[in-house]
Amino acid sequence: GEDVEQSLFLSVREGDSSVINCTYTDSSSTYLYWYKQEPGAGLQLLTYIFSNMDMKQDQRLTVLLNKKDKHLSLRIADTQTGDSAIYFCAEIPILNYGGSQGNLIFGKGTKLSVKP
Amino acid sequence: NAGVTQTPKFQVLKTGQSMTLQCAQDMNHNSMYWYRQDPGMGLRLIYYSASEGTTDKGEVPNGYNVSRLNKREFSLRLESAAPSQTSVYFCASSELGPTDTQYFGPGTRLTVL
Repeated sequence: GEDVEQSLFLSVREGDSSVINCTYTDSSSTYLYWYKQEPGAGLQLLTYIFSNMDMKQDQRLTVLLNKKDKHLSLRIADTQTGDSAIYFCAEIPILNYGGSQGNLIFGKGTKLSVKP
Repeated sequence: NAGVTQTPKFQVLKTGQSMTLQCAQDMNHNSMYWYRQDPGMGLRLIYYSASEGTTDKGEVPNGYNVSRLNKREFSLRLESAAPSQTSVYFCASSELGPTDTQYFGPGTRLTVL
């Protein structure tokens, strides 16, 4: 079955790096996504990685994909208080993608707290 | 370019009442989605519409109906609201291109008493 697992909480100090981890079960997933949700707001797409890539970097964000272990991580360098939010990992399994339905499977989200 | 908009932002209903949540996108996307978000449950897909004129059930469709009115608009209807439908509802859309990246609206917070 399809499942995406994340730890529920992460607390870091301002200026440190944050690493949010995610595991997924569908080895045929095509795209894997990271979304950010600030309190009371909708989901904002942060970044995504195609399954044939190992790493993607975008300013302070680094996404690492270990396809063998089905492990995805999001590293935020120089974490700021404005980064406090819930971060969702999501995948599109190949069955859904092949049918062009684009049904995202979400993890339950990791709440990142940044202490000054 | 407003992206994905949802109305209303907040709603309180009594058990048994009906209401329709509205969603519109101005990105000319083909696919649209309705999710609900509950504490500790992440987001779960209620219904989706791969293209204008088509709708399909997602993971948790019971108690809901949808209408893809045109390419821009996708509404979610609760015919007889129940307390178990208290949740935050998100609409999303995607282009159905190679990335299928979904863009989300701000959400509707619904409480059923």
